[in-house]
Amino acid sequence: KAGVTQTPRYLIKTRGQQVTLSCSPISGHRSVSWYQQTPGQGLQFLFEYFSETQRNKGNFPGRFSGRQFSNSRSEMNVSTLELGDSALYLCASSLGGEPTDTQYFGPGTRLTVL
Amino acid sequence: GEDVEQSLFLSVREGDSSVINCTYTDSSSTYLYWYKQEPGAGLQLLTYIFSNMDMKQDQRLTVLLNKKDKHLSLRIADTQTGDSAIYFCAAARGGYQKVTFGTGTKLQVIP
Repeated sequence: KAGVTQTPRYLIKTRGQQVTLSCSPISGHRSVSWYQQTPGQGLQFLFEYFSETQRNKGNFPGRFSGRQFSNSRSEMNVSTLELGDSALYLCASSLGGEPTDTQYFGPGTRLTVL
Repeated sequence: GEDVEQSLFLSVREGDSSVINCTYTDSSSTYLYWYKQEPGAGLQLLTYIFSNMDMKQDQRLTVLLNKKDKHLSLRIADTQTGDSAIYFCAAARGGYQKVTFGTGTKLQVIP
């Protein structure tokens, strides 16, 4: 079974631009969560989607948004990029997003904002 | 909000046991997780424990929970060089959707 894939793996953008990251979950998984990992703030929850609906959101500004398609693939968008948005963005999928469902992480997208 | 704290670094000799500690602040946390992150890789869920449990054992891994002190620990028996990684503790009230991660503990295993 193929794992969680994220594209692109690396991205360089400049301040003010916007970016879209993509995540393909494991086949059959309907829940996709996004996390931001930085040296300063650690690992922080962004949002979670299940069956095309955002079920929960972390404490991030509205510049961070996402969506999920009918095939469970998910995209995350960051508009008006700031230097502080430089981070590793991780996506994780699970069957139903239940607390006891094993969550599988992708390798991440490394975003650098110049 | 929830705060989860871990020590930053732990060094052990191969074959010894490793104990990684974590404290959390929200007594409503019902699910507590341990993740492993190897260099250049995403996170791997190692194990989890419900707040109504005191202990969970899974092969070389033992999780101990002291709910009164809001203290969680992960013991790795017979630590191997392949266990070298960053270990994250995470606490959640409703599962993944409301999860707070610790800062991570870097485990170095000396051959």
